[in-house]
Amino acid sequence: QKEVEQNSGPLSVPEGAIASLNCTYSDRVSQSFFWYRQYSGKSPELIMSIYSNGDKEDGRFTAQLNKASQYVSLLIRDSQPSDSATYLCAVNKLDSSYKLIFGSGTRLLVRP
Amino acid sequence: EPEVTQTPSHQVTQMGQEVILRCVPISNHLYFYWYRQILGQKVEFLVSFYNNEISEKSEIFDDQFSVERPDGSNFTLKIRSTKLEDSAMYFCASSPLEDAGELFFGEGSRLTVL
Repeated sequence: QKEVEQNSGPLSVPEGAIASLNCTYSDRVSQSFFWYRQYSGKSPELIMSIYSNGDKEDGRFTAQLNKASQYVSLLIRDSQPSDSATYLCAVNKLDSSYKLIFGSGTRLLVRP
Repeated sequence: EPEVTQTPSHQVTQMGQEVILRCVPISNHLYFYWYRQILGQKVEFLVSFYNNEISEKSEIFDDQFSVERPDGSNFTLKIRSTKLEDSAMYFCASSPLEDAGELFFGEGSRLTVL
């Protein structure tokens, strides 16, 4: 079982819609959760971090964490064509705090 | 805005040659990392570095790899004898915090081993 799993996509949404990106993780000792955005040929860029159960909002982005279900999601409201990128879910664990484990990413395509 | 800078942006080398990839982390950051991404695959952790020593390394980071902070600004990754499978984008990252998740990545160094 992969440590961090994401649907590879592409997830295609029209401009202005809500994009919902999902991620599951296998290790219950995972303690911190992150969403990075990676444009094609570029480096990852941190979008959101979330550390406790519930929702965390930052502008058009909302991260949701459910530790019981080992599930983390990212909602992007009012999606824009510039949001088209690969979104990487990442976790780190209590016993390995220096190491970030990435999922393979979900490619998002926002259609104008 | 402060940023992590990496050089070279692209290096082509012959199998068996040594390669050094260089990084200048953000100046007030204390934790430094190397990650790599093989084309079309996920970002993989290689090594973390704090207080002039390796704090954690992955199974990928074998004896062919080494890291060094030769002065107060540079952070280097050396691959002693490159293999074809070392071809990848290598990302340097830094963080002000011990929690490894909020990373600032450089633009990457693409390594092509022929």
